[in-house]
Amino acid sequence: TAGITQAPTSQILAAGRSMTLRCTQDMRHNAMYWYRQDLGLGLRLIHYSNTAGTTGKGEVPDGYSVSRANTDDFPLTLASAVPSQTSVYFCASSMGRGVGTEAFFGQGTRLTVV
Amino acid sequence: AQTVTQSQPEMSVQEAETVTLSCTYDTSESDYYLFWYKQPPSRQMILVIRQEAYKQQNATENRFSVNFQKAAKSFSLKISDSQLGDAAMYFCAYRGTQGGSEKLVFGKGTKLTVNP
Repeated sequence: TAGITQAPTSQILAAGRSMTLRCTQDMRHNAMYWYRQDLGLGLRLIHYSNTAGTTGKGEVPDGYSVSRANTDDFPLTLASAVPSQTSVYFCASSMGRGVGTEAFFGQGTRLTVV
Repeated sequence: AQTVTQSQPEMSVQEAETVTLSCTYDTSESDYYLFWYKQPPSRQMILVIRQEAYKQQNATENRFSVNFQKAAKSFSLKISDSQLGDAAMYFCAYRGTQGGSEKLVFGKGTKLTVNP
């Protein structure tokens, strides 16, 4: 079972360019999340989706957008990258609302904006 | 909004000894879930242990146990018989059950070093 897969694993991106980080899960989880991890700041939620067709803003949504066209995919788009978006990005999924099961994480994408 | 605080940026322990990592949280909910995740240098996020707030009994998973103090909003992780493989970043996380609070909120993490 693949679980949750992110692509690419790492990327160097020129400032001002756009990029989409891909995330796919095969566990039929309702909820999906995007986090960024920065040294000393832990994991901060960017956007989330409780179910296909719905999305919501997290703690640090500015400069990012998401879509949830189906259950399996939850891409994160940077419309015009800036150096402060250099980070490690994690996609995660979980069963959904009101269920206490844990979130499963992808392997992360290391993004460097230069 | 819920917040999670880990007051120890770094901790160290001797191999085979016991260490406790601290975590406090702030919430107005009565029903919620708490988690400890481990992140080794591989970057993979691994669930260590979870606790349901409605359960008074502290969760235990082999060498890992928690001290859950609901009234104090404290959720510490105890690692017994520490092993070199326990060296990692440890994150405490909170997940609510009310509408809009199902998101997993993380603390800033504690870096654990295990000395041989």
